[in-house]
Amino acid sequence: EAQVTQNPRYLITVTGKKLTVTCSQNMNHEYMSWYRQDPGLGLRQIYYSMNVEVTDKGDVPEGYKVSRKEKRNFPLILESPSPNQTSLYFCASSSPGPRLCTYEQYFGPGTRLTVT
Amino acid sequence: KQEVTQIPAALSVPEGENLVLNCSFTDSAIYNLQWFRQDPGKGLTSLLLIQSSQREQTSGRLNASLDKSSGRSTLYIAASQPGDSATYLCAVNTGNQFYFGTGTSLTVIP
Repeated sequence: EAQVTQNPRYLITVTGKKLTVTCSQNMNHEYMSWYRQDPGLGLRQIYYSMNVEVTDKGDVPEGYKVSRKEKRNFPLILESPSPNQTSLYFCASSSPGPRLCTYEQYFGPGTRLTVT
Repeated sequence: KQEVTQIPAALSVPEGENLVLNCSFTDSAIYNLQWFRQDPGKGLTSLLLIQSSQREQTSGRLNASLDKSSGRSTLYIAASQPGDSATYLCAVNTGNQFYFGTGTSLTVIP
């Protein structure tokens, strides 16, 4: 089954304790992205990756890191989490359509992170 | 910077009614626009994708239109059903990045 998976689905942690949220897709998609969703603010893009070893900042990259060593995986790293990073996080992937940049995104189920 | 707005923020309709959800964006230089559905506590499900060169797309009871020059898209839902209750999000693609609206929360009353 074609899908985007995220782990863990729920995580409660303390300020400053490094954590990684994994994301994996089995559709051979080039493009992968991380978002956070907060009430009243909608989804905001954190980082995206056009392909292996190519990553770039989205709108809210502060406090996050990513890596893209393999095509299927795109982990999100919080080196020193803070309470303002409490949020619902989504990973997404997509592949170009017949025309360049014609992307349709597929989303993972989300990771609910609480930082105390 | 692209800004995406969805109005209304919430909508409640009786079952069977036809309805329109609105999405507006500030920069018309987009590659495509995508409509999603999000159920409470769940991920996003893609409903329709409209490329910048298209005017509309249809899937079952859903029809999405795009007027790129005026920065607007609408999602039309025909003969609404209680199962349509969810939050509907639109997202515009500017090439490498995606910008989302804050969504319209739809409740269809049986």
